[in-house]
Amino acid sequence: DAKTTQPNSMESNEEEPVHLPCNHSTISGTDYIHWYRQLPSQGPEYVIHGLTSNVNNRMASLAIAEDRKSSTLILHRATLRDAAVYYCILRVKGNTNAGKSTFGDGTTLTVKP
Amino acid sequence: DAGVIQSPRHEVTEMGQEVTLRCKPISGHDYLFWYRQTMMRGLELLIYFNNNVPIDDSGMPEDRFSAKMPNASFSTLKIQPSEPRDSAVYFCASSFFEPTMVVQYFGPGTRLLVL
Repeated sequence: DAKTTQPNSMESNEEEPVHLPCNHSTISGTDYIHWYRQLPSQGPEYVIHGLTSNVNNRMASLAIAEDRKSSTLILHRATLRDAAVYYCILRVKGNTNAGKSTFGDGTTLTVKP
Repeated sequence: DAGVIQSPRHEVTEMGQEVTLRCKPISGHDYLFWYRQTMMRGLELLIYFNNNVPIDDSGMPEDRFSAKMPNASFSTLKIQPSEPRDSAVYFCASSFFEPTMVVQYFGPGTRLLVL
């Protein structure tokens, strides 16, 4: 399985944008890039996913490099509620084993008031 | 929908006792996953089911762990006998297979402490 690399931790100020990077240099053409986050004392929750084009939803934006070897999750205005561990995961399109992808260690985001 | 439901939310037991964790997936989902999370090992996939059939149990740590899914709306993870090193948060997740993506919906977890 292709691996992802994320910084262990990042800090942000409240109401400022946050850019969370993820490197996936061995990504294959059929790998979707997924982001999940885990708030304290909760299960992980889906944030966003993409294949090649940048994606936006109500929670965040996903910027994917042209060569797809890296991506960035963008929180446009961080709030205290966004403090969580953010996981970048690769999942293969149309693969029934896609849900088996490992979560890795993720990035712990701290938001300062 | 109520989301993935897990019970109990907290469990404290003594070494050697049997522990049963329960999960009700989201209605209509045909995949169910059991994960374990510890500080040392992070989030580990233990086993997952498709249409109530176990597909991959390679993450189950040893024979003391067993999982069943008797029907589409219920699954159990059993530890017998339990050991202190089994202390962790156990998550259940469900999804439906969609060719372009697989989004998992996680339950709130069961926090297990084995004394």
